[in-house]
Amino acid sequence: AQSVTQLDSQVPVFEEAPVELRCNYSSSVSVYLFWYVQYPNQGLQLLLKYLSGSTLVKGINGFEAEFNKSQTSFHLRKPSVHISDTAEYFCAGVPMNRDDKIIFGKGTRLHILP
Amino acid sequence: GAVVSQHPSWVICKSGTSVKIECRSLDFQATTMFWYRQFPKQSLMLMATSNEGSKATYEQGVEKDKFLINHASLTLSTLTVTSAHPEDSSFYICSARDARGLAGGPGFFGPGTRLTVL
Repeated sequence: AQSVTQLDSQVPVFEEAPVELRCNYSSSVSVYLFWYVQYPNQGLQLLLKYLSGSTLVKGINGFEAEFNKSQTSFHLRKPSVHISDTAEYFCAGVPMNRDDKIIFGKGTRLHILP
Repeated sequence: GAVVSQHPSWVICKSGTSVKIECRSLDFQATTMFWYRQFPKQSLMLMATSNEGSKATYEQGVEKDKFLINHASLTLSTLTVTSAHPEDSSFYICSARDARGLAGGPGFFGPGTRLTVL
């Protein structure tokens, strides 16, 4: 069985400080990994994705994530956050052999403190 | 990026009535569409996967007779909640993927539809 775990339900961080949102996955097969952002009452917007190749993936809005196969992690990072980054962030995985089995983590709410 | 719309953005209905939610891909052909349900402050739960011209594949625990999905064209999928009850109140989100298939992942997400059943 596959699973995606986001270890923190909420992360408070001061404006202009760095942030890391953690995501771990468990799968018997290789997976594609994604990070999405959701603003209140809106759908999901893709931040970045890892399909293959370089393990460091850069996305929109200054975010990046690193795929670590040995630690089965795909943590999201930003060196300096802004108030506008306040949102819910979801990590998701898709098994390479079952592209209809999209699995989302429970989400991490990022609170930016002034 | 590609645009996916949903209509309506919110709907309030009486218990026992049926509600239809539309998901449209505006500038690409969506060979696959996904429907999700999201409860307040929770993650998205995949309800079903639909491929154009074929029957939808429902996830375990999702009642196919209650949540009717139609994907009649490459740009439109509909979700009909039949005989809605208050426990069906939720945020319903679709995503649409083009023929690139998995490389697009879940595809592009719609803005969601807030359903409230009184």
